[in-house]
Amino acid sequence: EAGVAQSPRYKIIEKRQSVAFWCNPISGHATLYWYQQILGQGPKLLIQFQNNGVVDDSQLPKDRFSAERLKGVDSTLKIQPAKLEDSAVYLCASSLTGVGSPLHFGNGTRLTVT
Amino acid sequence: AQTVTQSQPEMSVQEAETVTLSCTYDTSESDYYLFWYKQPPSRQMILVIRQEAYKQQNATENRFSVNFQKAAKSFSLKISDSQLGDAAMYFCVLTGTASKLTFGTGTRLQVTL
Repeated sequence: EAGVAQSPRYKIIEKRQSVAFWCNPISGHATLYWYQQILGQGPKLLIQFQNNGVVDDSQLPKDRFSAERLKGVDSTLKIQPAKLEDSAVYLCASSLTGVGSPLHFGNGTRLTVT
Repeated sequence: AQTVTQSQPEMSVQEAETVTLSCTYDTSESDYYLFWYKQPPSRQMILVIRQEAYKQQNATENRFSVNFQKAAKSFSLKISDSQLGDAAMYFCVLTGTASKLTFGTGTRLQVTL
């Protein structure tokens, strides 16, 4: 079974620029998550999709972050404009539907904003 | 609101020895699940073990086992015969039927020769 695919692996941008991350979940996984993990901390949920609908985006800074999962499969997360405090690892995860289904994570994208 | 507390920011264990990572949690839900995830320097978060709250039997996966004390709201992870590859950040995670996943702050495990 192929795992969760994420790209790019690393990205360095200047503040006020825009950036996009891509995630392809495990086939058949209806639920997709984007997490932000700042160095030394646990992951923080940014947005959760169930198929192509948003389940939870309460912690997504909507003035600068956006995410979509148009066909209920792969997803993109965008930041525009980026700030220095956005420097973090962005993790994508997917799971089967249902409470208690374990999450499967991708390798993450390390974003550095200078 | 649910909370997860990992009181040990760092732990160290010698190769082949046993180490226990602590986790306490709080939730108002009666039906919930607990996980331990491992995050090595490669960054990929990997599921180590999963426990269903309604099961009294402690989950076990090879060298990894948990001590689930439901009344005390404690969920510790025991790693036996520690190996160099066990060095990583370990996160305790809680999820309930009506709530999203809650991660602890993590415990960094070092394995020494």
